[in-house]
Amino acid sequence: QVQLQQWGAGLLKPSETLSLTCAVHGGSFSGYYWSWIRQSPGKGLEGIGEINHSGGTNYNPSLKSRVTISVDTSKNQFSLKLSSVTAADTAVYYCARLVYMVRGVIVDNWFDTWGQGTLVTVSS
Amino acid sequence: QSVLTQPPSVSGAPGQRVTISCTGSSSNIGAGYDVHWYLQLPGTAPKLLIFANSVRPSGVPDRFSGSKSGTSASLAITGLQAEDEADYYCQSYDSSLSVVFGPGTKVTVL
Repeated sequence: QVQLQQWGAGLLKPSETLSLTCAVHGGSFSGYYWSWIRQSPGKGLEGIGEINHSGGTNYNPSLKSRVTISVDTSKNQFSLKLSSVTAADTAVYYCARLVYMVRGVIVDNWFDTWGQGTLVTVSS
Repeated sequence: QSVLTQPPSVSGAPGQRVTISCTGSSSNIGAGYDVHWYLQLPGTAPKLLIFANSVRPSGVPDRFSGSKSGTSASLAITGLQAEDEADYYCQSYDSSLSVVFGPGTKVTVL
C-alpha cells in the first residue's frame, strides 16, 4: 500500500520561495503522476501541478509562472517550489498520487492517495 | 469562486439518505470528464470516496454511491451515520484549467 510522507518549511516571509518534498513509500513510482494540491480557507482545494517519473509536468495556468515541480526517481521523491510567495499562498499543501487515464480525447484523473499535509504560512 | 458548484451544507438524521450535488459546465463535466468525490474529516487530508462517477475504492462502504448526468453529478449517502459528518468535495477535469474542485459540502448528522 503506497504511503506519502511530506515535509518542508512551514513559515515563510513574502517574496521567499516555498519548498516542499514528498516521499513515496511502497507501490510503483512509474505509471502515475505525482501532484501537489493546496487548500486555503478562501480558495478551497486548488491543484498546483503534477509530474510523472520521466519528468513530464503539467501546471495550473494561474500558478505556472511561479511553480516548479521536480522528481528524483532514485529516491522516489518529488518536490514543489513556489517562488515569490505572498500571504495569498498561505494554505495547507498536500502531495498526492494522481491516477491519470486517457479515454480517446478525454483525460480523467483523480487523487487516490494523499500525504498528511503541511501548513505553510506566509507572514512578514 | 470554484469552477464546480456544491451546496454549502446538507443535513440529515441518522439512517436517512442525503444527496450532494456537483454542478459544472460544458468545459468540464458536460464535456464528458468523470467526477470524483472526496471525504475530509477535520484536520486530515481528503480521502478518495468515489472515482469515475460511481466506482467505490476498496474499503468504502456501499452506503456511498455516485452518479453523473449531463453537466452535473451527485453523491448519495444512505443510512447516514454519525461518522459520516465531514466535508465532501467533488473534482473533475476542465479543458482549460486542468483539475478542478468544488467548494465542498459540510454534511451534518442531526
